Amino acid sequence: DAKTTQPNSMESNEEEPVHLPCNHSTISGTDYIHWYRQLPSQGPEYVIHGLTSNVNNRMASLAIAEDRKSSTLILHRATLRDAAVYYCIRPPAGNAGGTSYGKLTFGQGTILTVHP
Amino acid sequence: GAGVSQSPSNKVTEKGKDVELRCDPISGHTALYWYRQRLGQGLEFLIYFQGNSAPDKSGLPSDRFSAERTGESVSTLTIQRTQQEDSAVYLCASSSRPGLTYEQYFGPGTRLTVT
Repeated sequence: DAKTTQPNSMESNEEEPVHLPCNHSTISGTDYIHWYRQLPSQGPEYVIHGLTSNVNNRMASLAIAEDRKSSTLILHRATLRDAAVYYCIRPPAGNAGGTSYGKLTFGQGTILTVHP
Repeated sequence: GAGVSQSPSNKVTEKGKDVELRCDPISGHTALYWYRQRLGQGLEFLIYFQGNSAPDKSGLPSDRFSAERTGESVSTLTIQRTQQEDSAVYLCASSSRPGLTYEQYFGPGTRLTVT
């Protein structure tokens, strides 16, 4: 399974930044860290992924700790549409050579509530 | 560009009937996945297609489930003799870089209700 640890829930106000933490202390050197989110009654949505360096895209930023044992997804200005369950994922153990073919499994994730 | 599309968006069927669900992946994506998500539950992997390789069917729950893919395009998931426990949202995802990363793009899903 994903072997990541996230808080069960977080709250934010609209227009404020949100920092969603994830611990992945057993990550190996070649495992990418991925984030997905799932809005109510919708399919999962890819957000961002990274390996070592911090990453930015139009949706969010991903800050990866130097030891890679944790990362933080940053939503710079939360909107009501960002209310979702956010999942931090890394490949399962034993994925040498990509043998798991990217089969996604989600843990509990963090339920983000955004207040107007 | 166009994302992953799935049809139908909703399907209500009687127990014992066969259903066919369709997925159109993003053009150029070689990998295609089918997942199932029951209400309030996580993702359940069903099957994976990659190019011309033999599909990974390890997640199919029973022999009532089968899937096909035409080249690197459309895929069809077929459920025969549907049961009430088959009720779920069936999600299709595609990827251009399977295995190395887990960057997948999902369709809106087909909500299947078996009465």
